[in-house]
Amino acid sequence: EAGVTQFPSHSVIEKGQTVTLRCDPISGHDNLYWYRRVMGKEIKFLLHFVKESKQDESGMPNNRFLAERTGGTYSTLKVQPAELEDSGVYFCASSLSGLVGGYTFGSGTRLTVV
Amino acid sequence: GDSVTQMEGPVTLSEEAFLTINCTYTATGYPSLFWYVQYPGEGLQLLLKATKADDKGSNKGFEATYRKETTSFHLEKGSVQVSDSAVYFCALSDMDFNKFYFGSGTKLNVKP
Repeated sequence: EAGVTQFPSHSVIEKGQTVTLRCDPISGHDNLYWYRRVMGKEIKFLLHFVKESKQDESGMPNNRFLAERTGGTYSTLKVQPAELEDSGVYFCASSLSGLVGGYTFGSGTRLTVV
Repeated sequence: GDSVTQMEGPVTLSEEAFLTINCTYTATGYPSLFWYVQYPGEGLQLLLKATKADDKGSNKGFEATYRKETTSFHLEKGSVQVSDSAVYFCALSDMDFNKFYFGSGTKLNVKP
């Protein structure tokens, strides 16, 4: 079984540019989550999709961040325009039913805004 | 709100040394507690978990006991190996298991 795949693994962009991160969940997993770890601090929840619907987006930091999951398969997280404080590692995870134990993380996208 | 505090790293140990990484939490209700590990270049992997007070989670020689009275979930291993070098994250889940609250991570370096 393929795991959760994230693209790209690294991205370096200039302040003010736009970046789109992609997450391919495990096939059949309706639940998809985004988290991020900024500057070696704690990993923080961003949002949760159930299929194509946003179940919880309480962790999205501001309106420069836009997450989509068209068709309930892969998801994208767009940052526009990027700021220096957006630098960090963005993790995606998926699960079959939302129960812990079946929650699989991807290896993350390291975003550097210069 | 819910939160997790874990000891800062890095922690550097010699092979076969005893490991403790402290973790305390603040939560409403009765959360489940977890330790995740991130090996270099890989994603977060579940190491162990405990779902109620006094439960002990264990895996790969690592153990942690859910202590409600001290709101703690310290990670221990009796004899670390070089292959245990990684970043360890303590976490709790909310009541619906729909999201995690993580600590800031502790980097462990084990030297031969």
